[in-house]
Amino acid sequence: KAGVTQTPRYLIKTRGQQVTLSCSPISGHRSVSWYQQTPGQGLQFLFEYFSETQRNKGNFPGRFSGRQFSNSRSEMNVSTLELGDSALYLCASSFLGSNVLTFGAGSRLTVL
Amino acid sequence: ILNVEQSPQSLHVQEGDSTNFTCSFPSSNFYALHWYRWETAKSPEALFVMTLNGDEKKKGRISATLNTKEGYSYLYIKGSQPEDSATYLCAYGPAGSYQLTFGKGTKLSVIP
Repeated sequence: KAGVTQTPRYLIKTRGQQVTLSCSPISGHRSVSWYQQTPGQGLQFLFEYFSETQRNKGNFPGRFSGRQFSNSRSEMNVSTLELGDSALYLCASSFLGSNVLTFGAGSRLTVL
Repeated sequence: ILNVEQSPQSLHVQEGDSTNFTCSFPSSNFYALHWYRWETAKSPEALFVMTLNGDEKKKGRISATLNTKEGYSYLYIKGSQPEDSATYLCAYGPAGSYQLTFGKGTKLSVIP
């Protein structure tokens, strides 16, 4: 059974650019959530999606957006990148009714 | 705003030693408490999810307890092995939601 797949794994962007990260959940998992980890910080909640609907959003500026497709795959987008957006972005999936998150390996974004 | 505190931030133990660390969370309106293990270069892996005061969970040499009235959870590792070296994260969140608030983690190094 394939795990949670995140692409790309590593990317480098410059300030002002935008980036799109992708997450394919485990087959059968319809809930996808995104977290950001920056140095010295715990994982910070970004979004949670279920059946193409955003259920919750964390305390991030509007430059951070996301969506979920009918096949449960999810993307997140960060526009007008800032240096502080350099982070590891983790996606996690779960099936409805389970409290347990299964995380992907993450996408490490470096903003220069 | 929820605040999850983990202590210690890091610790080094000798192989064979038993150890424990603490997660503190707001005791009011408790929902669910998660423990994850995050090994270097891997994805965070779920260890336990606990919802009831007095819950005790065990997985091999690792166990966890939960006190919702005073707002803390302990993670115990019996007879630490080098493969237990990882960062242990706890997270607090609403039942049925994946909007988790994570602590910064306890980094465990087991010295052979």
